[in-house]
Parts: sequence; structure tokens; C-alpha cells
Amino acid sequence: EAGVAQSPRYKIIEKRQSVAFWCNPISGHATLYWYQQILGQGPKLLIQFQNNGVVDDSQLPKDRFSAERLKGVDSTLKIQPAKLEDSAVYLCASSIRVNNSPLHFGNGTRLTVT
Amino acid sequence: AQTVTQSQPEMSVQEAETVTLSCTYDTSENNYYLFWYKQPPSRQMILVIRQEAYKQQNATENRFSVNFQKAAKSFSLKISDSQLGDTAMYFCAFMKHRGGGSNYKLTFGKGTLLTVNP
Repeated sequence: EAGVAQSPRYKIIEKRQSVAFWCNPISGHATLYWYQQILGQGPKLLIQFQNNGVVDDSQLPKDRFSAERLKGVDSTLKIQPAKLEDSAVYLCASSIRVNNSPLHFGNGTRLTVT
Repeated sequence: AQTVTQSQPEMSVQEAETVTLSCTYDTSENNYYLFWYKQPPSRQMILVIRQEAYKQQNATENRFSVNFQKAAKSFSLKISDSQLGDTAMYFCAFMKHRGGGSNYKLTFGKGTLLTVNP
């Protein structure tokens, strides 16, 4: 079974630039999550999708962050414009359904904003 | 809001010995799930073990076991016969039933960096 795929692995941008991350969940997984993990902290949920609908985006900074999951499969997370404090690892995870199914994580994208 | 606290930022253990990582949480919920995830330098979060709050029996997965104390809201992880490959960040996580529906949210602690020394 292929795991959760994320790209790119690393990204360095200057502040005020834009960036996009891509995630391909495990086939058949209805639920997709984007987490932000700042150095030295645990992951924080940014947005949760069930199929192509948003379940929770309460901690997503909507003035600069956006995410979509077209056709209920792949997802992209965009930051525009980026700030220094957006430097973090962005983790994508998926699960079969939205209840207590285990989350399967990708390897993450490390973003550095200079 | 639910909070998860891991009071040990770093721990070390000698290979083949046993180590226990601590985790406490705060919730008013009665039905929830608790997890331990491992994050090696590759950054991928790997599920180590999970516990359903309604089960009194502590979960066990090979060398990994938990001590779940529901009344004390404590959920510690014991690693027996530690191996070099166990070196990683370990995160305790809490998942509750959210709202009226089937929506669940996973909340993580800040993590404990475990180093296994040869």
C-alpha cells in the first residue's frame, strides 16, 4: 500500500512570496488533514477535509492560507504572502473515515521563510 | 479546549533498558482516544500505540505498552528492551468526539525527544 505522498520535501522562500504544497493521500481515504509543526512543538491542525468538503478550518489563518481538495483526492495548501513565522514543517495525513481511524502521515514539507 | 502535556522535553536510555515517557491531558469528555506517535528524523509520524478511553485494559504492542489512568488523566508510554531505532520524538495525542456528528480532532503534546544510547 502506497503511503501519503507530499511534495516538495523542502522549500525556501522570501517573506511576502507565495508557496504551495501538494498532498496525495492513501487511496480510498476519505479524510485528509493538514498540520503545521513549528520547531520544538507538536503538530497543530490547520484544516480537515471529508471528501472534498471542509470539516474544520478553525485554526487556518484565512487571510494568508488557503487549501482545497478537488474531487476529494489530492489536496493543495497555499500560503500567500508568507511571513517569517510560517517557517515550519507542513504535514499531510489521511484516514479511512472521519471517526477514530488511525491517521497516516506523509513525510512533510519543511518550509523556510527568510 | 483539550490540552495534552508532556513534561519531559528530552530523555535518554541505554540500549536494552526500559524507559517511561509521561503524558497528561485535560478534558471533560468521557469518550475519547489516546495515541502515542513516533517521529524519527525522516519526519514521518508513525503510530506506536492507541488506547480507547472506555477500555480499562492497558494497550500493548510488542515492546510498547501504556499505563492509562483515566481518573488521573494520565497516559504514559513504556518502552521495554530499548533499541537504537527507537531514537525519535514521541508525541502523545488526544482525539475526542467533536460536536454532533462524526467529526474527530487530534490534538498533540509538544513531544519528548528520546535518545537510545549504545
